[in-house]
Amino acid sequence: NAGVMQNPRHLVRRRGQEARLRCSPMKGHSHVYWYRQLPEEGLKFMVYLQKENIIDESGMPKERFSAEFPKEGPSILRIQQVVRGDSAAYFCASSPGGGYYGYTFGSGTRLTVV
Amino acid sequence: TQLLEQSPQFLSIQEGENLTVYCNSSSVFSSLQWYRQEPGEGPVLLVTVVTGGEVKKLKRLTFQFGDARKDSSLHITAAQPGDTGLYLCAGPTTNAGGTSYGKLTFGQGTILTVHP
Repeated sequence: NAGVMQNPRHLVRRRGQEARLRCSPMKGHSHVYWYRQLPEEGLKFMVYLQKENIIDESGMPKERFSAEFPKEGPSILRIQQVVRGDSAAYFCASSPGGGYYGYTFGSGTRLTVV
Repeated sequence: TQLLEQSPQFLSIQEGENLTVYCNSSSVFSSLQWYRQEPGEGPVLLVTVVTGGEVKKLKRLTFQFGDARKDSSLHITAAQPGDTGLYLCAGPTTNAGGTSYGKLTFGQGTILTVHP
């Protein structure tokens, strides 16, 4: 299955630790998007990347959050010094071009901060 | 800011009933998409509508894009328990210059429960 692969599926971190979420886009897709989902809030855009470039990070908190999509390897969403409010499901999606015709989503990483 | 509002937020029906979910905006969208999400999984794309007035059918699901491209609806005929899930509409966000560049705006979703 050459779908969008996210790992880990579940991640538990203590307050103050770092969380690293990985996403391998669908084969042939060069556009990657990260979204966060909280109950009752829907999917909120975080960041849009192409290989080695951040196209739009307007949804990312200014502090503690960063994302990259290197030339080789998966896209990484990094959350430093996690707090309880970071607990959520984080979804990665990919597309061959822009989102005009839709995304293919991964199964998500559920982050729990204890 | 482009917003998509879905209604109803919750829908609980019996197997065999029909239902319609609405997705509305005050902004024009170049396309609209519908996704279904099951618990513990990511959203799955059901359909993309791109032309004002367009109607697309996917088995018992009928999707319509408004003539002015500001709204869309999803109609399910003879709902089944397998239709249970979160239904999301989404559209490409445009920047200040009106260019769509890939980011999607999502509605808040409609949680559908179909009881046997």
